[in-house]
Amino acid sequence: KQEVTQIPAALSVPEGENLVLNCSFTDSAIYNLQWFRQDPGKGLTSLLLIQSSQREQTSGRLNASLDKSSGRSTLYIAASQPGDSATYLCAALGAGKSTFGDGTTLTVKP
Amino acid sequence: NAGVTQTPKFRILKIGQSMTLQCAQDMNHNYMYWYRQDPGMGLKLIYYSVGAGITDKGEVPNGYNVSRSTTEDFPLRLELAAPSQTSVYFCASSYLNSPRNTGELFFGEGSRLTVL
Repeated sequence: KQEVTQIPAALSVPEGENLVLNCSFTDSAIYNLQWFRQDPGKGLTSLLLIQSSQREQTSGRLNASLDKSSGRSTLYIAASQPGDSATYLCAALGAGKSTFGDGTTLTVKP
Repeated sequence: NAGVTQTPKFRILKIGQSMTLQCAQDMNHNYMYWYRQDPGMGLKLIYYSVGAGITDKGEVPNGYNVSRSTTEDFPLRLELAAPSQTSVYFCASSYLNSPRNTGELFFGEGSRLTVL
C-alpha cells in the first residue's frame, strides 16, 4: 500500500526566504507526482506535475524535483511572498489510483 | 469548458437521510474519482472509475455507492448518512491513454457535507 508523508506539517517563514517542502512515498512504482496548493476552505489548485520520466519541473518561482529511487519529491519556492501562504499537498499517482500526503501548511510573514 | 463541476457546494443532512453528490466533467476524461478530506488531513480515495460502466473501491468506500453510466457523470450516493461522513468531498478526473501514463488530476471545488 502506498503511503505518502509530508514533512514538516507546518512551516512559518519571513517574506523573501527560499524554502523547500518535502514529500516522501513508500512505493517507488509511481507513474507521476503532482503538487497542489489549497487555500483555507477552498479546492485544490494544481501547481506542477512531474512525469515518471522527468527529474524536475519549473513554473515561475516554483521548482519540483522527483527522485523515484529514493522515494522523494521536493517543492522549492523561491523568494516567498505572503500570498504563498496555503497548504501544499503532494500526490503519488499510480495505476488509476492516487495517494495524497496530509500536506504542509505554509505561513509567510510580511 | 467548465472542467469538473460538483453540486451541491453545501449540504446539511440528518442522521439516516440519503443524498447524491453530483459530479460532471467536460474534458472527455476517462478516469473519475471521489475523495473525502477531513479537517487537517489529506485526501482519501472513496471510489474511482476507469470508464463508463466500470467502478472500483478506493481506500474508504464503506457507506457510499457510485455509478458511471456516461463518460461525463460520476455521482456519489450516501445511504443512511452518519456523523462520520461529515467531510468535504472532492470529485476529480484525469485522462490516461496508456498503462504507464497517469494523467494530471483536475479537481472540482468540493462539496461540504455536514451530518447532524
